[in-house]
Amino acid sequence: DAGVTQSPTHLIKTRGQQVTLRCSPKSGHDTVSWYQQALGQGPQFIFQYYEEEERQRGNFPDRFSGHQFPNYSSELNVNALLLGDSALYLCASSLDSVYGYTFGSGTRLTVV
Amino acid sequence: QKEVEQNSGPLSVPEGAIASLNCTYSDRGSQSFFWYRQYSGKSPELIMFIYSNGDKEDGRFTAQLNKASQYVSLLIRDSQPSDSATYLCAVTQFYFGTGTSLTVIP
Repeated sequence: DAGVTQSPTHLIKTRGQQVTLRCSPKSGHDTVSWYQQALGQGPQFIFQYYEEEERQRGNFPDRFSGHQFPNYSSELNVNALLLGDSALYLCASSLDSVYGYTFGSGTRLTVV
Repeated sequence: QKEVEQNSGPLSVPEGAIASLNCTYSDRGSQSFFWYRQYSGKSPELIMFIYSNGDKEDGRFTAQLNKASQYVSLLIRDSQPSDSATYLCAVTQFYFGTGTSLTVIP
């Protein structure tokens, strides 16, 4: 049973560019959340998707957008990249969030 | 701003000892609390969740919740070197602390 899979593993982008990160949730899970984790910090909640709708959003600018597809997979898009967007981006999925999330291994984004 | 506070550590305990990790939160209405373990260079892994006041035990791990004091803790009994990691406290699924680094010394 595959867990949460994220792609790509690593990515280097130039300031001002746009990036798309992808996530496939664990089999049977229908809710996907995205987090940004800077080095030495805890994960910061970006947004959550359920039934293809953004259900909740954290304190991130509109440059961060997402999408959930009918098969529950999800994308995170970041426009106009800033150096400060360099971080580990984590995707997490659950069937019922009351039982906690399963995290993917993350995408390490470096903006130069 | 809903805040989750953890002592960043590092916390060092000898092998076999009890490690005590603490977390406080600001939103009195919070209902669900989670502990995750994160090894260096890896993603967080769920250890336990707790919703009701009191203790919840799972193997060597015990989570303790006191909603009146807005305090949640994690006890690790018989600590092993493999427990060395950063422990993240989360309130609901949206607010994480910065984590406490634990080192278990053989």
